[in-house]
Amino acid sequence: QLVLTQSPSASASLGASVKLTCTLSSGHSSYAIAWHQQQPEKGPRYLMTLNSDGSHSKGDGIPDRFSGSSSGAERYLTISSLQSEDESDYYCQTWGTGAWVFGGGTKLTVL
Amino acid sequence: QVQLVESGGGVVQPGRSLRLSCAASGFTFTTYGMHWVRQAPGKGLEWVTVIWYDGSNRYYADSVKGRFTISRDNSKNTLYLQMNSLRAEDTAVYYCARGVMGSNIDYWGQGTLVTVSS
Repeated sequence: QLVLTQSPSASASLGASVKLTCTLSSGHSSYAIAWHQQQPEKGPRYLMTLNSDGSHSKGDGIPDRFSGSSSGAERYLTISSLQSEDESDYYCQTWGTGAWVFGGGTKLTVL
Repeated sequence: QVQLVESGGGVVQPGRSLRLSCAASGFTFTTYGMHWVRQAPGKGLEWVTVIWYDGSNRYYADSVKGRFTISRDNSKNTLYLQMNSLRAEDTAVYYCARGVMGSNIDYWGQGTLVTVSS
């Protein structure tokens, strides 16, 4: 079964960097994912598509501070030079035959 | 610029029906798959359904299969979600989203709230 696992919460200081993790279920380590950001009280926003080899393509207007990387079944979102507006929920998403799946989301707190 | 504007949400009693609409603009609607994704209050995102660019394929989450129907009118650049036999657990903000063919979602609407309550 295609499942994405995310830690429920993360925190980092203003100006620092943070690396969020999304883990693909067993047997699905070659899958690409997408990262989405949801700021408080807003609709989600697409950040990037991240392939198993770490290559990624970002959405329109996404700052260079956002980057992605991969290792095995893990997909990462790194945000550098954290700003207050980065305090959001971050969701990973993937797709299989006839099904699209979201991770449970990680709530990022900027200290 | 890509715009997706949902409408049709509201309060509905359990067992009743509701139809959501999503007006799309700023891109060639006929070349993209379209999704509905929902978010229950205080919860995460849940994928609901997708329709291929030409309507030839539709897929549904198990939680809505047999009750919800996705459709599109390419002449009107509009996506629909017909929701029947609504339950309290269908209460959520419903988002319309654009899908890159057979893969990820790359644009989202702002959502419309559906509340199922007696």
